[in-house]
Amino acid sequence: EVKLVESGGGLVQPGGSLRLSCAASGFSFSSYWLSWVRQAPGKGLEWVANIKQDGSEKNYADSVKGRFTISRDNAKSALFLQMNSLRADDTAVYYCTREGRVVVVPADWGQGTLVTVST
Amino acid sequence: DIQMTQSPSSLSASIGDRVTISCRASQGIRNSVAWFQQKPGKAPKSLIYAASTLQSGVPSKFSGSGSGTDFTLTISSLEPEDFATYYCQQYNIYPITFGQGTRLEIK
Repeated sequence: EVKLVESGGGLVQPGGSLRLSCAASGFSFSSYWLSWVRQAPGKGLEWVANIKQDGSEKNYADSVKGRFTISRDNAKSALFLQMNSLRADDTAVYYCTREGRVVVVPADWGQGTLVTVST
Repeated sequence: DIQMTQSPSSLSASIGDRVTISCRASQGIRNSVAWFQQKPGKAPKSLIYAASTLQSGVPSKFSGSGSGTDFTLTISSLEPEDFATYYCQQYNIYPITFGQGTRLEIK
């Protein structure tokens, strides 16, 4: 069974930093693209970033480019999102997703971790 | 960026109804569309990719179609567990973008 468990969310002040983690199990971690998708309270889904199997390709939404960094540790089956210069509009539930084998589209989702940026 | 516009934004239907949700892309995206279902307080669930291919384990009452700019998600016979919010997503060109969602409610 594919399992994705996010952690690291919490309350942070504007301008602060936070590092999200996603622990994966139940599949061959190094064989899949992975991504982060977020959802602000009461709003729709927003793609944040994705990363290729070996980490050689990373893509970001314009809204986070230059502030967020996606990375992975294939030896530990872990995905990360380093978030710097956080703003109030980064407040959201952040989901870790495993992409499909055939196309880079989420096939499996974690339960999400809430990030709140506020004074 | 490619805009994905879903219609309607909300929809009321009855158990057993057949419903269709539309998604229009602001430019041609071949068949690079996925659909997701989300229930309140839960993570999204992946339903369809490549416009019409069901994800593993998704029941056949769900179907998708379309190519280019116009796409549809159809649920053939509504059951209580189908009442949720549905999102389309394009993955043809970065940045990946989602539609605003369609809320499906019980009439």
